[in-house]
Amino acid sequence: NAGVTQTPKFQVLKTGQSMTLQCAQDMNHNSMYWYRQDPGMGLRLIYYSASEGTTDKGEVPNGYNVSRLNKREFSLRLESAAPSQTSVYFCASRDRVGGRGELFFGEGSRLTVL
Amino acid sequence: DAKTTQPNSMESNEEEPVHLPCNHSTISGTDYIHWYRQLPSQGPEYVIHGLTSNVNNRMASLAIAEDRKSSTLILHRATLRDAAVYYCILIWAGGTSYGKLTFGQGTILTVHP
Repeated sequence: NAGVTQTPKFQVLKTGQSMTLQCAQDMNHNSMYWYRQDPGMGLRLIYYSASEGTTDKGEVPNGYNVSRLNKREFSLRLESAAPSQTSVYFCASRDRVGGRGELFFGEGSRLTVL
Repeated sequence: DAKTTQPNSMESNEEEPVHLPCNHSTISGTDYIHWYRQLPSQGPEYVIHGLTSNVNNRMASLAIAEDRKSSTLILHRATLRDAAVYYCILIWAGGTSYGKLTFGQGTILTVHP
């Protein structure tokens, strides 16, 4: 059981380049999330998808777009990368069972923007 | 959204109990209290959750105040592998903001041998 899988695990970009971070979960979860974590900081919510077909902004959505491709996959796109987007990105998912469902996280994608 | 407040850091000695506090004074009746921890260079992992009653599992215990405005994660015998950042978050069971799960800074737990 793979859980939450993120690709790529590492990426280096130049300022202005674009890229997409992929996330897939095999637990049939309804809700999926993208977080970023800067060095020594906590997690900040970028975007989330409470259920298939819906996406909503989190705390720090500027500079990002998301696509909930299907129930399994939730991608995060940087259209024009900036050095301020250097961070570790975590994808997470949970089942929609009210407040009881636990969050499952991927291993993270470390992005460096030069 | 209801917020949580945790101490920035705590220290413990190996094999001693650790009590990690969390304040959530604006908690609503439908908020579940969840705890996660993040080991170095890893993604966060679930520890425990509860609504009103105290909860135990193989990893830890969760003590919830009677008024639910605070909770405490209890590690009964800390090990070096418990050194991590611990996050307390509230997960709302419903409403228009359903799904917007935000984390605070968490508590950095240091365990001394």
